[in-house]
Amino acid sequence: DAGVIQSPRHEVTEMGQEVTLRCKPISGHDYLFWYRQTMMRGLELLIYFNNNVPIDDSGMPEDRFSAKMPNASFSTLKIQPSEPRDSAVYFCASSLGRTVAQYFGPGTRLTVT
Amino acid sequence: AQKITQTQPGMFVQEKEAVTLDCTYDTSDQSYGLFWYKQPSSGEMIFLIYQGSYDEQNATEGRYSLNFQKARKSANLVISASQLGDSAMYFCAMREASTGRRALTFGSGTRLQVQP
Repeated sequence: DAGVIQSPRHEVTEMGQEVTLRCKPISGHDYLFWYRQTMMRGLELLIYFNNNVPIDDSGMPEDRFSAKMPNASFSTLKIQPSEPRDSAVYFCASSLGRTVAQYFGPGTRLTVT
Repeated sequence: AQKITQTQPGMFVQEKEAVTLDCTYDTSDQSYGLFWYKQPSSGEMIFLIYQGSYDEQNATEGRYSLNFQKARKSANLVISASQLGDSAMYFCAMREASTGRRALTFGSGTRLQVQP
């Protein structure tokens, strides 16, 4: 079975540009999570969805960040405009409501210069 | 206050020996779950093992076991018979179930290096 798919795997962009990260959860999973990993702050939740509805976006840093889940098999995380401090690895994870484990994608390494 | 504390930034172990990675947590919830994830140098996060707060027995998954001491609020990961492929970062995480919130809170991680 396919795991969580993220694209792109690497993204290098200039400050001020718009960045869109994409995620396809495991088929049938009803929860989708976006996490960010940095050296300074470790792994932290940005937002999560249940049945395509945003449930908790308390970790979204500021209005420059937005996330959508238009259907059960696709989610995007958008940063506009991007800043150097947004450089991090962004993980998408999914889980099935009645189970406990969250399964992570390979991550997108974002570098903003 | 940190909810998950991993006090060992780095650990070394000889191949084939057992190693314990420490994790303590802080919560006032009665219902919660504890997780361990492995992050190899390639960067992906791999789910290893889960322990629920009401589980009476320690969780085991192959060579991984979780030494759960509820009164001490500790959830240490034990890896038996270490292999070179176990070299990675290991993260302890918690989910507080009583709020219904599904997000995981992670510790800062322990880097394990297995030596031949």
